[in-house]
Amino acid sequence: DQQVKQNSPSLSVQEGRISILNCDYTNSMFDYFLWYKKYPAEGPTFLISISSIKDKNEDGRFTVFLNKSAKHLSLHIVPSQPGDSAVYFCAASSGGSYIPTFGRGTSLIVHP
Amino acid sequence: GAGVSQSPSNKVTEKGKDVELRCDPISGHTALYWYRQSLGQGLEFLIYFQGNSAPDKSGLPSDRFSAERTGGSVSTLTIQRTQQEDSAVYLCASSPRQGMGNEQFFGPGTRLTVL
Repeated sequence: DQQVKQNSPSLSVQEGRISILNCDYTNSMFDYFLWYKKYPAEGPTFLISISSIKDKNEDGRFTVFLNKSAKHLSLHIVPSQPGDSAVYFCAASSGGSYIPTFGRGTSLIVHP
Repeated sequence: GAGVSQSPSNKVTEKGKDVELRCDPISGHTALYWYRQSLGQGLEFLIYFQGNSAPDKSGLPSDRFSAERTGGSVSTLTIQRTQQEDSAVYLCASSPRQGMGNEQFFGPGTRLTVL
């Protein structure tokens, strides 16, 4: 049973527009959420995170929104660039565990 | 500084053979994780090492899988009597600390193909 779900396996966006990647979770004990980006033949790299005490965290073009009541978070990329084309993984952890649970990833393609 | 390195980058083996995968974490990182990613799947947790504590082996799929971490640094993941379903990318990650918000630094992975 997947505790972290990324229901869209792929997303295609035009350069300059907004990319919105979604993630849902089922475990109400999760209190820390991370996004990783992965290019082909490379390991994932950390992108941005958010604690459950916040509902928004922003870093440059990347913003993560957390809706605890809906158990939903989203990553917004504005404006999208071709170099953002990658697989994005959502991950979640709870304070008592140091082992994050990952979603299956969403492949983002940004067209020039 | 140097990131997490893994070797080999690719490994092709025959069913039934044993394989060893190596991970060199970032110097000073106390936490080390092994994951695997099968085609079309997410990252599946395998094992977690933290300092000198007993490892969390709860993600190992069978007793054919084992891992060790020597001297709190280098780790090897061993798969005995490999099966075709073991084919996947095996990723290692390290983290400088434990606790909430422990961002992980991943290596490039080892792509294992079992024929």
